Amino acid sequence: ILNVEQSPQSLHVQEGDSTNFTCSFPSSNFYALHWYRWETAKSPEALFVMTLNGDEKKKGRISATLNTKEGYSYLYIKGSQPEDSATYLCASTTGGYQKVTFGIGTKLQVIP
Amino acid sequence: DGGITQSPKYLFRKEGQNVTLSCEQNLNHDAMYWYRQDPGQGLRLIYYSQIVNDFQKGDIAEGYSVSREKKESFPLTVTSAQKNPTAFYLCASSIDGDRGPTIGEAFFGQGTRLTVV
Repeated sequence: ILNVEQSPQSLHVQEGDSTNFTCSFPSSNFYALHWYRWETAKSPEALFVMTLNGDEKKKGRISATLNTKEGYSYLYIKGSQPEDSATYLCASTTGGYQKVTFGIGTKLQVIP
Repeated sequence: DGGITQSPKYLFRKEGQNVTLSCEQNLNHDAMYWYRQDPGQGLRLIYYSQIVNDFQKGDIAEGYSVSREKKESFPLTVTSAQKNPTAFYLCASSIDGDRGPTIGEAFFGQGTRLTVV
């Protein structure tokens, strides 16, 4: 994988459903993986930064895992609420000068 | 309240004109960044600055210029040499000034949407 890829690009879930989406990134020269949440008409907000293989982070109903050997991270949302509707961006930092590459994002819509 | 402010929110430019997008932060962050977003693409790095009076080109610097005369300010000029300037521009800052464009705990502005008319 040469770029940061996120899937799916968009997702509709019913309120109360749990969901997850994927970020794939280059595993060579890996430094850090970031997740951001970007609500419409607002600024992206940092959710998690992970650096070690096997890292797991949690913030309320949202959690993330990291596998640096195979180059992927999962973001999980338990019991989705309408206020979770947003675009979730991941960004991978790699290389000696720490180049940051963003994915396109996964647009989540939670239907009440 | 601490934060990062971009202005204007919407900007229209005639072909051949230079325009400057403002980015100001009061978070005392060392590093500042400019990103561009086009439909269906991720954020792409234009320029970044790790310290006052120093800045580095990102992946798509052609047709853009920046300055970093003050820690708080990192304006981006879109010059007439930029062939396709219509896009959404995001400014960000982070405290990790000594680690390149690593972002870390990044804070973003609300963006400027530039349209060439």
